[in-house]
Amino acid sequence: EAEVAQSPRYKITEKSQAVAFWCDPISGHATLYWYRQILGQGPELLVQFQDESVVDDSQLPKDRFSAERLKGVDSTLKIQPAELGDSAMYLCASSFLSPTLNEQFFGPGTRLTVL
Amino acid sequence: KNQVEQSPQSLIILEGKNCTLQCNYTVSPFSNLRWYKQDTGRGPVSLTIMTFSENTKSNGRYTATLDADTKQSSLHITASQLSDSASYICVVSQNSGNTPLVFGKGTRLSVIA
Repeated sequence: EAEVAQSPRYKITEKSQAVAFWCDPISGHATLYWYRQILGQGPELLVQFQDESVVDDSQLPKDRFSAERLKGVDSTLKIQPAELGDSAMYLCASSFLSPTLNEQFFGPGTRLTVL
Repeated sequence: KNQVEQSPQSLIILEGKNCTLQCNYTVSPFSNLRWYKQDTGRGPVSLTIMTFSENTKSNGRYTATLDADTKQSSLHITASQLSDSASYICVVSQNSGNTPLVFGKGTRLSVIA
């Protein structure tokens, strides 16, 4: 069964360092999402891609976060510099078309701890 | 404001018992409502998706109901198992192409022996 792949699964870093997360969506899924989930909360959308284009990054803290999906397939989310408040689970999801019409499939997530 | 409220926040039940989780939403215009199960340290996995015209949908021991008039949904778990221990997240999507999904904060269920 096709799955969304993410790496690393866990990342521990010190504040002010740079971190990067990678996501490979299910083959054929045009829409890719990055979410941040704080413990005990629901996921919050950071950025949504349609193919290689950003559809929504209104909640992405652009002073320190960046995301790209250069070839419209896999994607990278970067944080530089990391802050203590960035400690969270970072989830990647993909869907065939829009989230309204198609189910989102989530990856296993990357658990980030900033010390 | 589009919101999804879930209750209870957490729940502890004995193995074999049934339970019901609640979801109230104010998302409009409504497209569909989903329930996800999220094991600790893992990504959410879809249990059910219901559109406006569906008022009940089952997936094994999980049964979701939807009342679009009162904007309420419930997830009923029958004969609970230890492996049902997880967070259950209610997610509502609006009836437009790329509008973000609205997530609830989830209900943390613990099934104990």
